[in-house]
Amino acid sequence: ILNVEQSPQSLHVQEGDSTNFTCSFPSSNFYALHWYRWETAKSPEALFVMTLNGDEKKKGRISATLNTKEGYSYLYIKGSQPEDSATYLCAFIRGFQKLVFGTGTRLLVSP
Amino acid sequence: EAGVAQSPRYKIIEKRQSVAFWCNPISGHATLYWYQQILGQGPKLLIQFQNNGVVDDSQLPKDRFSAERLKGVDSTLKIQPAKLEDSAVYLCASSSGGDNEQFFGPGTRLTVL
Repeated sequence: ILNVEQSPQSLHVQEGDSTNFTCSFPSSNFYALHWYRWETAKSPEALFVMTLNGDEKKKGRISATLNTKEGYSYLYIKGSQPEDSATYLCAFIRGFQKLVFGTGTRLLVSP
Repeated sequence: EAGVAQSPRYKIIEKRQSVAFWCNPISGHATLYWYQQILGQGPKLLIQFQNNGVVDDSQLPKDRFSAERLKGVDSTLKIQPAKLEDSAVYLCASSSGGDNEQFFGPGTRLTVL
């Protein structure tokens, strides 16, 4: 059974704060790691698909890094805004396209 | 480009009743997934289709859950009979395969009383 762990479980920050979350996954037989953002009452939306050790990806104020040898990925949000409030999910693929999701980090950004 | 469509958005039933959910994936996406997301947990894969064939249904409770993807396009997921612990959000997703991102529908929130 694959274990994908995310921390923290929840986070409450003020507008303008920068924040980061961690996703830990098994380091053996790595295939890919996905990050998704899931806003309340909306569909989960892909942020990043990461496949190579040392990958760094960026989309606006959000960026992610990947370390496949030690089995972790960080997601960073610079200058958080209220519209960043959502649950951030990471998902690990070992093979056969099967995603195993973590439990997510719930972010609340107050104005 | 139209996204993944799901219906209904919400459903409330009593235990032992039956329920069915429908999903229409993004046009051209060969791979379709059904996930169950229980409150406080991450989405759990129930079944994965490649065209109209099942790739993985290892976590599908087959005594009460069934799914089909006739003609390799849209799909239905059925629960018969429902139990209290089936209360969850049921997400459908599709992808073009490989390690590509998955595109999710809005989900169906099921409450079993």
